[in-house]
Amino acid sequence: DVKVTQSSRYLVKRTGEKVFLECVQDMDHENMFWYRQDPGLGLRLIYFSYDVKMKEKGDIPEGYSVSREKKERFSLILESASTNQTSMYLCASIRSLNTEAFFGQGTRLTVV
Amino acid sequence: LAKTTQPISMDSYEGQEVNITCSHNNIATNDYITWYQQFPSQGPRFIIQGYKTKVTNEVASLFIPADRKSSTLSLPRVSLSDTAVYYCLVESGNTGKLIFGQGTTLQVKP
Repeated sequence: DVKVTQSSRYLVKRTGEKVFLECVQDMDHENMFWYRQDPGLGLRLIYFSYDVKMKEKGDIPEGYSVSREKKERFSLILESASTNQTSMYLCASIRSLNTEAFFGQGTRLTVV
Repeated sequence: LAKTTQPISMDSYEGQEVNITCSHNNIATNDYITWYQQFPSQGPRFIIQGYKTKVTNEVASLFIPADRKSSTLSLPRVSLSDTAVYYCLVESGNTGKLIFGQGTTLQVKP
């Protein structure tokens, strides 16, 4: 059974902390994505990666960075967490565009 | 990248057929149309994908007219468990991005 696993389901962090959200896929997929989801705004793309060590900005990259050192792992980093980054974060992977995307279960991050 | 427009919300009753239409006026020649379903507190799940005409699987049908500027997801005989948000995506290999819109919240009533 294919799987995208996010390291935490729920996370509470303090303002100013550096936060790491981890995503691992076991499907040998090339492309991985990080989204945030907020009520009424749908899923918004933060960053994506099409290969190891490659990354591209999505629509809302400000305040975030990413790391892809291995094909199966894509990390989202909040350099200095702020309360407006409280959100649901979703990771996805696909083998190539125009194929099925698989999502993780999501990480609900609260910054206090 | 082709932008999609779909209704924010829809209501239906159990046993009815539900059709959700998505507009994508500037779809490119090599773009595919994909629909996803999302339940609360879960990630989206792939439903169906098509390029033109009609595609059917065990869950839904997807109708795409000849000009491909819109598409319609058809859910036959919905049940309460079909209450979810449905997203229409137009995917292109030109940018590598996978862009979701706001989606359509479908509420199925008993």
